[in-house]
Amino acid sequence: GAVVSQHPSWVICKSGTSVKIECRSLDFQATTMFWYRQFPKQSLMLMATSNEGSKATYEQGVEKDKFLINHASLTLSTLTVTSAHPEDSSFYICSARTSGSWEFFGPGTRLTVL
Amino acid sequence: QKEVEQNSGPLSVPEGAIASLNCTYSDRGSQSFFWYRQYSGKSPELIMFIYSNGDKEDGRFTAQLNKASQYVSLLIRDSQPSDSATYLCAGPLAGGTSYGKLTFGQGTILTVHP
Repeated sequence: GAVVSQHPSWVICKSGTSVKIECRSLDFQATTMFWYRQFPKQSLMLMATSNEGSKATYEQGVEKDKFLINHASLTLSTLTVTSAHPEDSSFYICSARTSGSWEFFGPGTRLTVL
Repeated sequence: QKEVEQNSGPLSVPEGAIASLNCTYSDRGSQSFFWYRQYSGKSPELIMFIYSNGDKEDGRFTAQLNKASQYVSLLIRDSQPSDSATYLCAGPLAGGTSYGKLTFGQGTILTVHP
């Protein structure tokens, strides 16, 4: 089956710093990648959709200047949380799909902002 | 109104019993639905998808879709303690195609006790 990896799996940072999370599709080319956020005891909330070579589309209420997404290739998308604050602490999950398939999820990155 | 809702839960069943999980959706034009299983601290993993009215069986799992009543269900036969997890129902966001953005229900926590 399709494999999606994320790095790092967890990160702790100080308030005001920026954190980059990588999402890679290991054995397929992902035409689209999605970024989700999940707070404790809540469901997944879609943050943005990223297509290779084009700008990401953000869901309502998600600050595009705070959550920078770069989909540089068909196997790599990055999410950068800029000037992170404690309220940004969450479980960030990416997913990837190729044309005509469903989503395959990465293992997630747990971000803790002190 | 959320596009996909899971109102039941948490659900506790004895080992060997049938666990029944339910989900309703608001967009009558939605085509396909997905059931994901999420263990604590992990990302979701796809269990089944269904796009036709009726039942779809895969091993111990049966997904049911009733487009007239706008509900989707997941039955787990011969429940095992390893089935204990949060089950997420997902459908297309804003009536999109099955390969577009997904919106998730709140999740139902299932506990299978020995």
